[in-house]
Amino acid sequence: AQKITQTQPGMFVQEKEAVTLDCTYDTSDPSYGLFWYKQPSSGEMIFLIYQGSYDQQNATEGRYSLNFQKARKSANLVISASQLGDSAMYFCAMREVENRDDKIIFGKGTRLHILP
Amino acid sequence: KAGVTQTPRYLIKTRGQQVTLSCSPISGHRSVSWYQQTPGQGLQFLFEYFSETQRNKGNFPGRFSGRQFSNSRSEMNVSTLELGDSALYLCASTLLAASLGEETQYFGPGTRLLVL
Repeated sequence: AQKITQTQPGMFVQEKEAVTLDCTYDTSDPSYGLFWYKQPSSGEMIFLIYQGSYDQQNATEGRYSLNFQKARKSANLVISASQLGDSAMYFCAMREVENRDDKIIFGKGTRLHILP
Repeated sequence: KAGVTQTPRYLIKTRGQQVTLSCSPISGHRSVSWYQQTPGQGLQFLFEYFSETQRNKGNFPGRFSGRQFSNSRSEMNVSTLELGDSALYLCASTLLAASLGEETQYFGPGTRLLVL
C-alpha cells in the first residue's frame, strides 16, 4: 500500500492565485515528520517546509504553508500568490521515527504549471 | 555554506559497464542518502550512510553499492549496467538533528545517467 498519496498528477493555475497541492499519508507510527520538496526542471530537490506529527500549529515558510489535518492524515501544501517560478514538480514525503525502516518515503509528485 | 555537490552531472554509459557517482554533503552533515528517480517508479530510496556505515538499504539488487568516507563524502557504484538503470541519481545529506523526525534532507543537483 502506498504510504504517501498525491492524487493530482498535474495542475494548471493562473499566476497570483493560491494553490493547494494534496497529500495524504498512511502510518501507524505515532511519531513522524512530513516534508514538501520542489523539483524544478533542473532536477534539484528543494526543501520547502516541514511538519512534525506533534506540532500543534501548521507550519509556515514565507508563501508556503502546510495544512496539517492529523485525524484525516492529510498534509496539503498551500502556496499563496503563485508566481511563474513556482512551476515545478512538488513532492510530499514522510519520515517515520519509530519505524526501524528509517528512511524518507516520497509520493509520486504533482506537476504544477503557473500560467501568465 | 556550500550545498550538496554531485559529480558528474551527466554520464553516458553502455550496458555491461560500471559507473561510480560521487556526493559531497553539506559541511558538518554526517548522513548521506541516495535515491534513484525515474519517470515510471518515481523517487526510490537506495541506501543511507552514516559515519561510514550503511544504515539502511532499499530494495535494489546487489549491483548497486555504496560507501562513505571519513570526511562524509559518499560514492555509489552500479556494476553491470542495464538499460533500466537510466535515471536521475540524487544524493541528500542530513545533519541528524536531535528533534523529533526533523531530519531535513538537503539534496544535490543529481547525476543524470543514460545507459545505451
